[in-house]
Amino acid sequence: DADVTQTPRNRITKTGKRIMLECSQTKGHDRMYWYRQDPGLGLRLIYYSFDVKDINKGEISDGYSVSRQAQAKFSLSLESAIPNQTALYFCATSDLGTSGDAYNEQFFGPGTRLTVL
Amino acid sequence: EDQVTQSPEALRLQEGESSSLNCSYTVSGLRGLFWYRQDPGKGPEFLFTLYSAGEEKEKERLKATLTKKESFLHITAPKPEDSATYLCAVQARSGGYQKVTFGIGTKLQVIP
Repeated sequence: DADVTQTPRNRITKTGKRIMLECSQTKGHDRMYWYRQDPGLGLRLIYYSFDVKDINKGEISDGYSVSRQAQAKFSLSLESAIPNQTALYFCATSDLGTSGDAYNEQFFGPGTRLTVL
Repeated sequence: EDQVTQSPEALRLQEGESSSLNCSYTVSGLRGLFWYRQDPGKGPEFLFTLYSAGEEKEKERLKATLTKKESFLHITAPKPEDSATYLCAVQARSGGYQKVTFGIGTKLQVIP
């Protein structure tokens, strides 16, 4: 079984609709992340969470919100989807780095391909 | 602003033809540089972390090196299964914010 799972894998929705992307992990990691990937732009961080009570905005959080329901679950919501939110979305996890808050290797889910019409 | 530039954007090699991928970066205090492999339809898979200039790491046919301005991913005698997009990312010393900047990637195709 995959360590990091994302649902749905593909989603087509219409402008203005609310949509939730879900992520679950069995790695036991405290840290979870949401990224989006666009052609020609690379991966960009939307939100990250270091534990259940800690939620932080990334570089492109506008138009998105998140919820950390448990250590193993981190969901991303688009309250009112717009076409420029069409992208590939990845959830990732990591454990604590070897030196405090140092970044450690991240384990990515398979991605959700979202299309907003 | 932190920047990561990967070159070339695409590379086509014959099986066994060794080559290198480049990752140039500008960052205000490097905390770590990371290489990932991404196969079509999948999430990135971690390969290496490099922390300081002069550091090298190897894994099978791959070897990553780091200088103060760039990193190279050397591929020795590649096989078709090495075909993938290789991503480089850097983390800057920016206090509590986990600022990680990814490059666009190099798409590698190895022809049998």
